[in-house]
Amino acid sequence: GAVVSQHPSRVICKSGTSVKIECRSLDFQATTMFWYRQFPKQSLMLMATSNEGSKATYEQGVEKDKFLINHASLTLSTLTVTSAHPEDSSFYICSAMRMTSGESYEQYFGPGTRLTVT
Amino acid sequence: GQNIDQPTEMTATEGAIVQINCTYQTSGFNGLFWYQQHAGEAPTFLSYNVLDGLEEKGRFSSFLSRSKGYSYLLLKELQMKDSASYLCAVLDSNYQLIWGAGTKLIIKP
Repeated sequence: GAVVSQHPSRVICKSGTSVKIECRSLDFQATTMFWYRQFPKQSLMLMATSNEGSKATYEQGVEKDKFLINHASLTLSTLTVTSAHPEDSSFYICSAMRMTSGESYEQYFGPGTRLTVT
Repeated sequence: GQNIDQPTEMTATEGAIVQINCTYQTSGFNGLFWYQQHAGEAPTFLSYNVLDGLEEKGRFSSFLSRSKGYSYLLLKELQMKDSASYLCAVLDSNYQLIWGAGTKLIIKP
């Protein structure tokens, strides 16, 4: 099956620093990638939809200047958490969607990045 | 508003069959996804339905009725490793995924 990688898997950073998380679709081209945040024992919360070559579409309540998303190519999207604070500590998950034959969709998730801000 | 409902928690016995229901009310419909998520891990894609009917994939089957705004995920021959959360998500008219809160499935020996 399709594979999506995410790097790093875990990161600990100090308050005020920035952290970049990479999401790559390894064996297919993804015109659309999604970034999610998940708090313990809760469902996924969509942060933004990223389309290759254009600006990301952010969900209501998500700060664009704090969570910078770049979708530079059909296989790579990055999320940068700027000036991180302890409340940004969370599990960040990316996913890539592809359309298969017959206009069917499949969505594959990266393994997630656990961010801890101290 | 947009809404997806699924039971919070279900319990089933190893070797049995369980059906997890999902009802939805969304602005438009471009398909429904089911995902499996083990604690502390990212979700895994299980199925995608856009037409009415039943899609079978091994021990897992997914059903959709668009007129009723209803889907279910059927798991057969349950194994202990099937203990996980199962998430239902609908792709709306803007191709945004609307997520249910997930159903925690507990499998007992």
